Amino acid sequence: AQKVTQAQTEISVVEKEDVTLDCVYETRDTTYYLFWYKQPPSGELVFLIRRNSFDEQNEISGRYSWNFQKSTSSFNFTITASQVVDSAVYFCALSEAGQGAQKLVFGQGTRLTINP
Amino acid sequence: DTGVSQDPRHKITKRGQNVTFRCDPISEHNRLYWYRQTLGQGPEFLTYFQNEAQLEKSRLLSDRFSAERPKGSFSTLEIQRTEQGDSAMYLCASSLVSGGRDTQYFGPGTRLTVL
Repeated sequence: AQKVTQAQTEISVVEKEDVTLDCVYETRDTTYYLFWYKQPPSGELVFLIRRNSFDEQNEISGRYSWNFQKSTSSFNFTITASQVVDSAVYFCALSEAGQGAQKLVFGQGTRLTINP
Repeated sequence: DTGVSQDPRHKITKRGQNVTFRCDPISEHNRLYWYRQTLGQGPEFLTYFQNEAQLEKSRLLSDRFSAERPKGSFSTLEIQRTEQGDSAMYLCASSLVSGGRDTQYFGPGTRLTVL
């Protein structure tokens, strides 16, 4: 069975600090996908990134970066120079690959609060 | 591109009543997913459609729940004889499968409160 664990329930930092959100996953599949979504107070889940299991290259997009380590089954997310607008709940998710439903298995989320 | 839309955004109902939610996916997206999210939890998969065919349902989807996607466009999720445990956010997502990739884009959700 697939499982995603986000051990940090809540994180609070002061604006401009760097912050890392942890994500650990479990799967028996050899090919799978990993995702991060952001859920602001409005409730809509906003897609941030998708990563294939066979591509361990880290990725950077502006102030966001992702560290994928297959050896530790982790897919951590770092926000550099955080801003108040980054405040939201962040979800890590996992899906199997293949032609069937690629239903997402989500972690419990990390509530990030950026204080001015 | 307009995103995924859901209607209504909020629904308050009394226990035992039937409710129906609508989801309009991003145009030309061939897959449509329904998830349920309870307070403080991540979303949980309910069911999915490939075009108009409902191909998978979660054990979470009891007999009181039914979903349709006529003509492979919008989808409806109906809950009959609502119970207080049905109170949750119901999220719809759509995707266009390309090269085996399936990135789901979510709507704003319908928040259901059963009194």
